[in-house]
Formats: sequence, C-alpha cells, structure tokens
Amino acid sequence: AQSVTQPDIHITVSEGASLELRCNYSYGATPYLFWYVQSPGQGLQLLLKYFSGDTLVQGIKGFEAEFKRSQSSFNLRKPSVHWSDAAEYFCALTGGGNKLTFGTGTQLKVEL
Amino acid sequence: DVKVTQSSRYLVKRTGEKVFLECVQDMDHENMFWYRQDPGLGLRLIYFSYDVKMKEKGDIPEGYSVSREKKERFSLILESASTNQTSMYLCASSRGGEENIQYFGAGTRLSVL
Repeated sequence: AQSVTQPDIHITVSEGASLELRCNYSYGATPYLFWYVQSPGQGLQLLLKYFSGDTLVQGIKGFEAEFKRSQSSFNLRKPSVHWSDAAEYFCALTGGGNKLTFGTGTQLKVEL
Repeated sequence: DVKVTQSSRYLVKRTGEKVFLECVQDMDHENMFWYRQDPGLGLRLIYFSYDVKMKEKGDIPEGYSVSREKKERFSLILESASTNQTSMYLCASSRGGEENIQYFGAGTRLSVL
C-alpha cells in the first residue's frame, strides 16, 4: 500500500525566512509526486510535480522540491517566505494510476 | 486554464435530507473525483469516475453515491445526510494517463444539523 507522511502539522516562520516542509512517502517503485497549496476557503492549487528526470523541480510562486529516492522524501522549499504564503500544503503521490494519495497536510503560519 | 466549478460554496442541511453536490469541469477530462477533507485527516477519496456512467469506490464510499451522466458533470449524493457527514467536499478532474494532474474546485462546505 502506498502512503504519504507529512510529519509537521503546523509550522510558523517569519516573513523573509527560509522554509522547508517535509514529505516522506512509502511506495514500491518510483512514484509521481506532487505538492499542492490550499489558501483559506479555497480548493487545492498545484505548486509543482515530479515525474522523472532532474530530482530538483521548480514550481510556481518561487517554490522548489527535491526528490531523494534514498530517503523516500520530497521536501518543499522556499528561500524567502512571503506573508501571502500562509496556507495549508499537501504532498501527494500516485503510482501512475488515476488515484492520488495525500498526506494530512502542513499548516504554514507566517509571522510579520 | 482548467476550470472546475462546484455549484455551492456553503450548504446547510438537516439530518435525513437527500443532498446533491454538483461539479462541472470545462476541459473535457476523462476522470473526475470527489474528496472529503477533514482537519488532521487530509483528503480522502470518496468516489471517482473514469468515464460517463462509470464509477469506482474510493477509500470512504459508505453513505455516498455518485452520478456521471455527462462527461463534464459529476454529482455526489448523500442519500440520507447525517451529522458525521459535515465536512468540506472537494471535486477534482484530470485528463488521465500517466501524468495524473488533478485540478480542484473551490470546495463545498456542508453542515448537517
């Protein structure tokens, strides 16, 4: 069975500080990995995805993520956080089929 | 841009009522999904559909049914709403194939009293 773990339920960072959100997965082969963001009262927006190739992927809004097969991780990073980045972030995976498996989410708070 | 539209942002229903949640996508996607989102549990798949009139159970189908009579429209039905179905419901669609990028609607927050 496949699973996604986001160990941090809440994270608080100061505006301008760097950010790393953790995501670990369990899957028998190389998965397709995603990060989504959900602003308050909104649906989910795709930030970035990893399918194959370069293990460092760039996304929208200045986010990037690195796929590390040896650690079964796909952590999301941003060098300098803006107040508008406050939201909930979800990591997800699929094995190439139709269904996504989501983590439980990390709520990001940005202190001004 | 892909647009997934959920007909209601907020709904308040009574226990025992039959509830319909509607979702429409405008990108001719084959796949459509209904999720339920609860704090601390993330998104859980209720049902998905990979073609008109085709459906498959997700992880938590109990108490729900779905209908897909047209490719662009996917309905979630609560036959007899209960208080434990109070939640945020999210619809998504995808083209299918290997790159299963799902696009989400804004969600419907349902309260069952």
